[in-house]
Amino acid sequence: DAEITQSPRHKITETGRQVTLACHQTWNHNNMFWYRQDLGHGLRLIHYSYGVQDTNKGEVSDGYSVSRSNTEDLPLTLESAASSQTSVYFCASGHLGSPLHFGNGTRLTVT
Amino acid sequence: SQQGEEDPQALSIQEGENATMNCSYKTSINNLQWYRQNSGRGLVHLILIRSNEREKHSGRLRVTLDTSKKSSSLLITASRAADTASYFCATGINSGGSNYKLTFGKGTLLTVNP
Repeated sequence: DAEITQSPRHKITETGRQVTLACHQTWNHNNMFWYRQDLGHGLRLIHYSYGVQDTNKGEVSDGYSVSRSNTEDLPLTLESAASSQTSVYFCASGHLGSPLHFGNGTRLTVT
Repeated sequence: SQQGEEDPQALSIQEGENATMNCSYKTSINNLQWYRQNSGRGLVHLILIRSNEREKHSGRLRVTLDTSKKSSSLLITASRAADTASYFCATGINSGGSNYKLTFGKGTLLTVNP
């Protein structure tokens, strides 16, 4: 069965370190998204991609970057982790106008 | 800022009762979707309603959409303890070609007491 997987499930890192969260989907979706979820804010869009070599900024993109070198993967990089980036991160993928499929999330703690 | 806003933020009911959650949004949309999230898990899609539709049903779920009021409601009938979860509305907007984005609200936490 097709799926979308995120790794790691949990990550603790120190302020200032670079961190990369992985997202891999086998749905063959062109559209992929990264969201962060925080209490009181719901899900907020960080970055998204409509296909290979395409990346776009979402509403909370500062301090984050993504790259899309193939259809299956959209890694999210925190260039220099900050305590404000402690959150739960969700990756999702989907076709135009259709429901999104979500991974189970990565809980990131920046100390 | 969020495109969709759910109301209420939290809802507590008894098993067997109906639960109604509302969602308001600000701009024109192509579709509106409802998702469910159990604690510690990812979001799971429940139902999608397109902008030219007014009502959809799926099992115990009923969704309505009023584009003139920019609002939607999710009704869960005959609730069960297993329905306890957070429910999110998301507005889908096509930005040209195959470009598509979903914007989520803050969610409603539903608690169904046995």
